Amino acid sequence: DAGVIQSPRHEVTEMGQEVTLRCKPISGHDYLFWYRQTMMRGLELLIYFNNNVPIDDSGMPEDRFSAKMPNASFSTLKIQPSEPRDSAVYFCASSAVTLKQGGQETQYFGPGTRLLVL
Amino acid sequence: QKEVEQNSGPLSVPEGAIASLNCTYSDRGSQSFFWYRQYSGKSPELIMFIYSNGDKEDGRFTAQLNKASQYVSLLIRDSQPSDSATYLCAVMGNYQLIWGAGTKLIIKP
Repeated sequence: DAGVIQSPRHEVTEMGQEVTLRCKPISGHDYLFWYRQTMMRGLELLIYFNNNVPIDDSGMPEDRFSAKMPNASFSTLKIQPSEPRDSAVYFCASSAVTLKQGGQETQYFGPGTRLLVL
Repeated sequence: QKEVEQNSGPLSVPEGAIASLNCTYSDRGSQSFFWYRQYSGKSPELIMFIYSNGDKEDGRFTAQLNKASQYVSLLIRDSQPSDSATYLCAVMGNYQLIWGAGTKLIIKP
């Protein structure tokens, strides 16, 4: 399997521009997660989907962020308008196992998108 | 708010020694615990998971869980320079993983 695929790997943009990050989960995985990682805040869960349906978006910083999963093999995270404080590494991860206490939750991470907003 | 605490380090260990990484968590009802390794500039990858009190061994790695004291640890025996990375502890909360900030481990040749 190719693993979780993310694009682009690097993105440099100017403040105010729209940014779209893309993710292809591992085939057969029912859960998809979007994370943001910074030195200051560590790894933060932004939103996750189960069977293409958003389950918890409480980690999405504000209305400038939106995420979609139109089908089982594709998801996007959009930032509009982007701001310098959005600069971070954005990871997509997928999992095949039901999220529950005692579940063998193994999340497989993509390589990440390094976003720099100038 | 449910929390997972780790010492940020860096933790410096000589090559060949045992590296001991610790993690405490606040939710007493947590049942699933995970250790991920993250090399600089790379994505996290799972090393081990543990559910039951006691030790779980996998090669040079041993995870230890003490639910009464609410801590989980990771021991790395015969540390190698290639073990130098940030180690993330994660605890299963209500339908999502709660992540620690990670401990940076440096193995000195």
